[in-house]
Amino acid sequence: GAGVSQSPSNKVTEKGKDVELRCDPISGHTALYWYRQSLGQGLEFLIYFQGNSAPDKSGLPSDRFSAERTGGSVSTLTIQRTQQEDSAVYLCASSLGPYMLNEQFFGPGTRLTVL
Amino acid sequence: QKEVEQNSGPLSVPEGAIASLNCTYSDRGSQSFFWYRQYSGKSPELIMSIYSNGDKEDGRFTAQLNKASQYVSLLIRDSQPSDSATYLCAVNSNSGYALNFGKGTSLLVTP
Repeated sequence: GAGVSQSPSNKVTEKGKDVELRCDPISGHTALYWYRQSLGQGLEFLIYFQGNSAPDKSGLPSDRFSAERTGGSVSTLTIQRTQQEDSAVYLCASSLGPYMLNEQFFGPGTRLTVL
Repeated sequence: QKEVEQNSGPLSVPEGAIASLNCTYSDRGSQSFFWYRQYSGKSPELIMSIYSNGDKEDGRFTAQLNKASQYVSLLIRDSQPSDSATYLCAVNSNSGYALNFGKGTSLLVTP
């Protein structure tokens, strides 16, 4: 079946602009996660959704970052007033449910470059 | 911040040998452990999950977990050049939902 999809695959923006990144999880997966991976850094958790609710937003680095999920499916991560330090690969993952034993499957990522 | 530690490598092994990748974690409450493979420029791909002490085998891969020592490892038998990648160890976080990742071990399998 289809895996996690993300769009765009690449995004180049100017400092101060807003960007929206989209994630479409595996069909039937109720849990959705956003991570980011900066050059030379490990994967950093951003936010977790169960259905349309976000019980864990603890990883969002600042109030410029927000995310929503609609219909228990597609999620959008929005970064306002982008800064150069926001440049990273933004990865979305999904899993069957919220339980800690559930395996997370990653999409191909969106590479964000802030000039 | 709960930590997951891995040697960055590179770990170089000849084709056909066993590659051994190690990971330690700091949170004794962790219950779920995963190994991901990440090729350069690609996203992480799940290769193994393990939840109980002991060994779990899947094809050429064996994951080993020792919760008392807070240690998890991945063995790759009959290593192939196509196994050359960065291997990420991931452990469930306090919340149980998010994963804490190590920075990965780079593996190079030489023909």
